[in-house]
Amino acid sequence: DAGVIQSPRHEVTEMGQEVTLRCKPISGHNSLFWYRQTMMRGLELLIYFNNNVPIDDSGMPEDRFSAKMPNASFSTLKIQPSEPRDSAVYFCASNRGLNQPQHFGDGTRLSIL
Amino acid sequence: GQNIDQPTEMTATEGAIVQINCTYQTSGFNGLFWYQQHAGEAPTFLSYNVLDGLEEKGRFSSFLSRSKGYSYLLLKELQMKDSASYLCAVSPDKLIFGTGTRLQVFP
Repeated sequence: DAGVIQSPRHEVTEMGQEVTLRCKPISGHNSLFWYRQTMMRGLELLIYFNNNVPIDDSGMPEDRFSAKMPNASFSTLKIQPSEPRDSAVYFCASNRGLNQPQHFGDGTRLSIL
Repeated sequence: GQNIDQPTEMTATEGAIVQINCTYQTSGFNGLFWYQQHAGEAPTFLSYNVLDGLEEKGRFSSFLSRSKGYSYLLLKELQMKDSASYLCAVSPDKLIFGTGTRLQVFP
């Protein structure tokens, strides 16, 4: 079975540019999660969706961040405009529901110059 | 508030046993997860505890005491490939991760 697929794997861009991260969850999983990981703050939940509906976006740092899930097989996380402090590894994860193990994608390593 | 505490780093010798502790304070509890994360890779699921007691899975075991807000991950017969970060995560509703324990296994 294919796991969670994220793209791009690496992104380097200049501050002020728009960044779009993409995620395809595992087929049949109805919850999708976006995380950010840094050395200083560890793994932080940004937002999660259940059945394509955003349930909790309290972890989204500010209005520059937005996330969508137009259908069960695709989600995006957008940063506009990007800033150097957004540099981190962004993970997408999915699972079958509450208290089920989350399966993580390989992550997007984002560097904002 | 929500708080999860783990030691930052641990070291051990190949073939030994190591116990990684996790204490938590959360507004609710629906289960505790352990994940393994090798450097530069994604976290991978190791174990899940929702009831008190020990869950054993091969060389890895995880223990939970809900009354004490405490869990540990026990790794037996350590191998070099076990060098990784181990993340404790608690689910009141969404998953809250600790900052992880970096384990280094030496020959």
